[in-house]
Amino acid sequence: AQSVSQHNHHVILSEAASLELGCNYSYGGTVNLFWYVQYPGQHLQLLLKYFSGDPLVKGIKGFEAEFIKSKFSFNLRKPSVQWSDTAEYFCAVTSYNQGGKLIFGQGTELSVKP
Amino acid sequence: NAGVMQNPRHLVRRRGQEARLRCSPMKGHSHVYWYRQLPEEGLKFMVYLQKENIIDESGMPKERFSAEFPKEGPSILRIQQVVRGDSAAYFCASSPTRTPNEKLFFGSGTQLSVL
Repeated sequence: AQSVSQHNHHVILSEAASLELGCNYSYGGTVNLFWYVQYPGQHLQLLLKYFSGDPLVKGIKGFEAEFIKSKFSFNLRKPSVQWSDTAEYFCAVTSYNQGGKLIFGQGTELSVKP
Repeated sequence: NAGVMQNPRHLVRRRGQEARLRCSPMKGHSHVYWYRQLPEEGLKFMVYLQKENIIDESGMPKERFSAEFPKEGPSILRIQQVVRGDSAAYFCASSPTRTPNEKLFFGSGTQLSVL
């Protein structure tokens, strides 16, 4: 069965610090990978996604993620975080024919201190 | 075009009561997915529905839980005889197609609290 593991439950950073959130998945076949963000009191929003092609994916708000197939990883990065990036971040995976049936990691809460 | 609408935002029920959670997909979306987020956990898939059909209910508890997506009206997730362990945030998502899912959008969720 597919599973997703996010290594950090809670990350605290100061503004302008660099961010890297880890995500590993277990599935041997072709996967689609996602990062979602949930700001306090709001719905999940798609940050970025990987379907195929360039393994370095750029998303909204300066976020990017790199798909490393050999490591089954899809880590999220941002060179310089802002206070407004305070939110919960979820990594998710689906296989091609699973459609919207996503397997989510447990989430990482990011707190950015001004 | 309004987003995925879920109501109510907060629902309080006593043990043994019924909970009904509604999800109105985005206009033109005929695929609906329900997820549950328990405290300190990620979202877990529950059920996938298309208009009038349940496509995949592999994540639904075997008892007390049911879902529907009628031809007209919102999708409903129904929990009978709620217990404290049902307290969670319930999210729905909608999509115009099954794949690809770049156009999968989530609602703001319903927070169910069981007293």
